[in-house]
Amino acid sequence: EPEVTQTPSHQVTQMGQEVILRCVPISNHLYFYWYRQILGQKVEFLVSFYNNEISEKSEIFDDQFSVERPDGSNFTLKIRSTKLEDSAMYFCASSAGTGAYEQYFGPGTRLTVT
Amino acid sequence: GENVEQHPSTLSVQEGDSAVIKCTYSDSASNYFPWYKQELGKGPQLIIDIRSNVGEKKDQRIAVTLNKTAKHFSLHITETQPEDSAVYFCAARVTGANNLFFGTGTRLTVIP
Repeated sequence: EPEVTQTPSHQVTQMGQEVILRCVPISNHLYFYWYRQILGQKVEFLVSFYNNEISEKSEIFDDQFSVERPDGSNFTLKIRSTKLEDSAMYFCASSAGTGAYEQYFGPGTRLTVT
Repeated sequence: GENVEQHPSTLSVQEGDSAVIKCTYSDSASNYFPWYKQELGKGPQLIIDIRSNVGEKKDQRIAVTLNKTAKHFSLHITETQPEDSAVYFCAARVTGANNLFFGTGTRLTVIP
């Protein structure tokens, strides 16, 4: 069964450093998402991406964040200058297309900012 | 924006008993309500969902009910098994948007 994959599973970085989290969505899916989950809190939406551009973003997704689909398979989240409060589990998800509401999540990347 | 509340935060049941998890939402424009199961170290797994034009949906031992008037929806698991132990999240999607708003999660423990 097709699944969303994410790398790395765990990333440790120092405050102020840039990190790139990588995702491979399900093949033939058209919508891609990033969510995050701070320990003990709700899963929160960051951004959605369709047709090579951001379709929606939340207040959390400020200028420190960017997303990219550099090729036909990868979808990346970049945090330009990490802060302690960026420490969280980051989930990538994908859905098939318009009218297909089901979102399928990857296993997540645990980001620890020290 | 949409706000999803989920209860209870923890739930313990004996194997074979039923488990019910409840969620409420605030935005009447929400039209899609998925449920996710998250096991330790894994991402959320979609287990069942319901759209606003349906009142109930069932898939083997799990079912979801939706009351649009009261703006609440529930997950029902019957004949629980130890492998049902996990954290369950409800979510809602507002018409015209793609993002999901999640509840705070319920840790279900099924005692053998």
